[in-house]
Amino acid sequence: AQSVTQLGSHVSVSEGALVLLRCNYSSSVPPYLFWYVQYPNQGLQLLLKYTTGATLVKGINGFEAEFKKSETSFHLTKPSAHMSDAAEYFCAVSFPIYNQGGKLIFGQGTELSVKP
Amino acid sequence: KAGVTQTPRYLIKTRGQQVTLSCSPISGHRSVSWYQQTPGQGLQFLFEYFSETQRNKGNFPGRFSGRQFSNSRSEMNVSTLELGDSALYLCASSVGQGTARGNTEAFFGQGTRLTVV
Repeated sequence: AQSVTQLGSHVSVSEGALVLLRCNYSSSVPPYLFWYVQYPNQGLQLLLKYTTGATLVKGINGFEAEFKKSETSFHLTKPSAHMSDAAEYFCAVSFPIYNQGGKLIFGQGTELSVKP
Repeated sequence: KAGVTQTPRYLIKTRGQQVTLSCSPISGHRSVSWYQQTPGQGLQFLFEYFSETQRNKGNFPGRFSGRQFSNSRSEMNVSTLELGDSALYLCASSVGQGTARGNTEAFFGQGTRLTVV
């Protein structure tokens, strides 16, 4: 069965420090991979996605993620945290299977706190 | 270009009642998906509609249903509400593809927060 696991429900970093949010997936077929961010009382905003091609993907707001097939991972990083990065982050997958593409499977989310 | 619009934003209902939530996708988008978000279960897929047809369905009871109109607007309905149905319901739209290959970006609305008392 396909699933997504985000390690750490809460991550706290200091402003200016490296942000690392972990995501591993389980799938019998190569998935498409996404990171979304959610601010309080808001919907989800796409940060970045991997479908095919270069495994290092750059997104908005200075975030990037690397798809590592051998490790079934898609960790999200940002070199220097900003106070405005405080939010909840979700890793998600979808699959290039007929009629399954419109379904996203989400991880449980990681709440990022940024300390001044 | 207007984003995904969900109405209403907040709703309070009593156990046993039914509720209808509305979602207007981005203009030109043909696929609409619905998700339920709760603190305990996280984000769970409810169903997806493409060109007025339900293309995929999550693991929810039959009390949860939906439909899509010819203008791609979608509604979801929950009948016989239970306390556990209290959640943020999110709608997402995407351009959609005939075979749903899954590599198109889904744009989310702000959600409807349903409270069942």
